Amino acid sequence: EAGVTQSPTHLIKTRGQQATLRCSPISGHTSVYWYQQALGLGLQFLLWYDEGEERNRGNFPPRFSGRQFPNYSSELNVNALELEDSALYLCASSPTGQGPLGWTNEKLFFGSGTQLSVL
Amino acid sequence: QKEVEQNSGPLSVPEGAIASLNCTYSDRGSQSFFWYRQYSGKSPELIMFIYSNGDKEDGRFTAQLNKASQYVSLLIRDSQPSDSATYLCAVNEWGSNYKLTFGKGTLLTVNP
Repeated sequence: EAGVTQSPTHLIKTRGQQATLRCSPISGHTSVYWYQQALGLGLQFLLWYDEGEERNRGNFPPRFSGRQFPNYSSELNVNALELEDSALYLCASSPTGQGPLGWTNEKLFFGSGTQLSVL
Repeated sequence: QKEVEQNSGPLSVPEGAIASLNCTYSDRGSQSFFWYRQYSGKSPELIMFIYSNGDKEDGRFTAQLNKASQYVSLLIRDSQPSDSATYLCAVNEWGSNYKLTFGKGTLLTVNP
């Protein structure tokens, strides 16, 4: 079974440009999450999409946006790039619903990430 | 602002020893607790989760939860060099409105 796939692996942009990152979830998973992992800051929650809708977002400015497509794949767009946007962007997926051990959307399966460098 | 605190380490233990990783959280409404392992250059991988006070064992791993003290820990028995990684603690409020918050992680090094 294929895991969560992300593309591109590396992305180099300059300040002010836009970046688009892509994610395909595990087959059967309807929820997609985006996280930013910057040096020294740990994993910061960006966005959660489920069934094509944005369900929740973290403490990031509106220039971080995204969408989820009917096939549950997702895009993260970062506009007006700033130097501090340089980080590893991780996508994760999970099934959605409540199982016997709680909400399944708590158990995330991560992709390998896109390393974004802003020069 | 909900916070999850971990000692950044590095925590260094000899092979065969018990590694003890600790995590505290600020939000008393937190209901579910997770440990992810992240090897260098790789993505995080879920290894344990716990919902109730007490201990939960899975192979060499034991998760311990004390909600009164807002404290969760991970014990790794018979540590192996392959356990060398960063361990991330994550905490969530119960419910469908996802709010999983991660700590910055503790780097564990197991020396042969």
